[in-house]
Amino acid sequence: DIQMTQSPSSLSATVGDRVTITCQASQDINNYLNWYQQKPGKAPKVLIYDASSLERGVPSRFSGSGSGTDFTLTISSLQPEDIATYYCQQYDSLPITFGQGTRLDIK
Amino acid sequence: QVQLVQSGAEVRKPGASVKVSCKASGYTFTTYSLTWVRQAPGQGLEWMGWISGYNGHTNYAQKLQGRVTMTIDTATSTAYMELRSLRSDDTALYYCARRQMGATIPSNWFDSWGQGTLVTVSS
Repeated sequence: DIQMTQSPSSLSATVGDRVTITCQASQDINNYLNWYQQKPGKAPKVLIYDASSLERGVPSRFSGSGSGTDFTLTISSLQPEDIATYYCQQYDSLPITFGQGTRLDIK
Repeated sequence: QVQLVQSGAEVRKPGASVKVSCKASGYTFTTYSLTWVRQAPGQGLEWMGWISGYNGHTNYAQKLQGRVTMTIDTATSTAYMELRSLRSDDTALYYCARRQMGATIPSNWFDSWGQGTLVTVSS
């Protein structure tokens, strides 16, 4: 199975900050990576697919980059409603696997 | 709009089975696969498998092989996930989600999610 490792596991940031979350795959997964946001008590929601494509309706402050084994999710200007846990997910090979999650809160 | 509505919470004893339903609306059911993802309390997301809404073809996570069965009923646009021989570590929130396919193979992502069904396994 492909292991997905996110860092950091948690972080606190101030409204307006630029926030970066990284995800590393245990082997080359091309750009076969998605990012999800999960707010407390809610189902996950896709933000980014294919490593860098923004899902319809998702604010443009979210962006994704990377290929191979190293990927990044960036929030250009943190908003209060971005408080959530973020997960990366690979679909290069089965089983589909997720990162362990990054919990983001406001300082 | 796309909606996935799941059945209600369940409580089972160890060794029992549970069957969770996921009723789809707002799109052509046979055009998409549905996936099942579970989340143990306070933990991350675990993929369980997926099923084609077109022909019922399935792929299951190896660790659940032999205990999980996913089925569909195209007449009612409903997917089902049955898990047998339940253990305490099967206690989790179970989600169904629609699998969206991208323009190029193998691009895919989970674009609409159900509200989740809590399954509690306790003696």
